[in-house]
Amino acid sequence: DTGVSQDPRHKITKRGQNVTFRCDPISEHNRLYWYRQTLGQGPEFLTYFQNEAQLEKSRLLSDRFSAERPKGSFSTLEIQRTEQGDSAMYLCASSSRGTSSGNTIYFGEGSWLTVV
Amino acid sequence: GESVGLHLPTLSVQEGDNSIINCAYSNSASDYFIWYKQESGKGPQFIIDIRSNMDKRQGQRVTVLLNKTVKHLSLQIAATQPGDSAVYFCAENGSGGSNYKLTFGKGTLLTVNP
Repeated sequence: DTGVSQDPRHKITKRGQNVTFRCDPISEHNRLYWYRQTLGQGPEFLTYFQNEAQLEKSRLLSDRFSAERPKGSFSTLEIQRTEQGDSAMYLCASSSRGTSSGNTIYFGEGSWLTVV
Repeated sequence: GESVGLHLPTLSVQEGDNSIINCAYSNSASDYFIWYKQESGKGPQFIIDIRSNMDKRQGQRVTVLLNKTVKHLSLQIAATQPGDSAVYFCAENGSGGSNYKLTFGKGTLLTVNP
């Protein structure tokens, strides 16, 4: 499978714990994105990397959230001191160029987080 | 703020019929639009896209129409099959024609009855 890969697919954690999600983008895609999706809503943009550089962070990404892409390949999204409101599906996506070039953004299957 | 929205939250069709899912957008600066299909518990799956310099694009059993005058986007699915049952999202490339950010609507749930 050469699509966007995310791990773990499901995570249940107690409030206050830290969690980390990993994303492996499509090979050779230099752009990587994180989105969050809650039930009944469309995905919401969180952050964007071009290679290893994090170029934008949404205001949705509080200081408890941190994303990295150290070598410009895989990325991690860490949530510290989780809150029940963090329960959502965290989607990773990648593309080879920008959307204004008409390049498709491909999504992974998501990582479901439940904070109890 | 500017956003992408959908006219109908649910659509129910008979197997074999054609389906039309509509989407309105408000950002005249958007120049790229995508339709995604999302099945329960899965990530959004790319269906078809269209750039603003086009008004129609066809894929396999799907057609996207773009009307920039009224800022309207539609997805037509021919000969709808039970496997087409899913939530369909339209997305635009963000406020101000962002090169990297997609703004999604809430989605339309398509149910195909056998």
